[in-house]
Amino acid sequence: QKEVEQNSGPLSVPEGAIASLNCTYSDRGSQSFFWYRQYSGKSPELIMFIYSNGDKEDGRFTAQLNKASQYVSLLIRDSQPSDSATYLCAVDSSYKLIFGSGTRLLVRP
Amino acid sequence: GAGVSQSPSNKVTEKGKDVELRCDPISGHTALYWYRQSLGQGLEFLIYFQGNSAPDKSGLPSDRFSAERTGGSVSTLTIQRTQQEDSAVYLCASSLAPPGGGQDQPQHFGDGTRLSIL
Repeated sequence: QKEVEQNSGPLSVPEGAIASLNCTYSDRGSQSFFWYRQYSGKSPELIMFIYSNGDKEDGRFTAQLNKASQYVSLLIRDSQPSDSATYLCAVDSSYKLIFGSGTRLLVRP
Repeated sequence: GAGVSQSPSNKVTEKGKDVELRCDPISGHTALYWYRQSLGQGLEFLIYFQGNSAPDKSGLPSDRFSAERTGGSVSTLTIQRTQQEDSAVYLCASSLAPPGGGQDQPQHFGDGTRLSIL
């Protein structure tokens, strides 16, 4: 069973800080990696995707991928209270996406 | 509309009844997925459709669950003889192409159907 692991949290950071969310995966053949944000009672919303080793930046968000370590992370700079949500990591395995159970982020004003 | 559309948004029904959930994917998206999310849990894969290929039903939890996709567009998920453990949010997602191959298209989710079995 291919797995995607995330710390459930909650991860609590003060407003303006950097939030670091981590994800590990078991399928070495995975090539595509996605981060989704899910507010309580809402559906997942795509934030970023990354295919290559290294960093990919989009505004306040940076995705980092290390395939050798089977590790993907999401950094949120200048965290805002509106960033408080559950962040889901998703990894392709064969032709499906396998989702982690999510990390709950709380940004304290 | 521009996004994935699901209906109904909420469904409350009695144990033992059948329910049908509908998903209208983004126009032009060939891949369609159904997931289930129980309260406080992650997404559980149920079934996947890609074009005219046979669907991947490997995630369906029992033979009470079935799904169809007509004309490569709209999909319906049917749950027969519902049980209380079927209560969850059922999410549909679509993408331009399936994952696998290195440059995968992201999945875009509908707002889900919140199913409550009394």
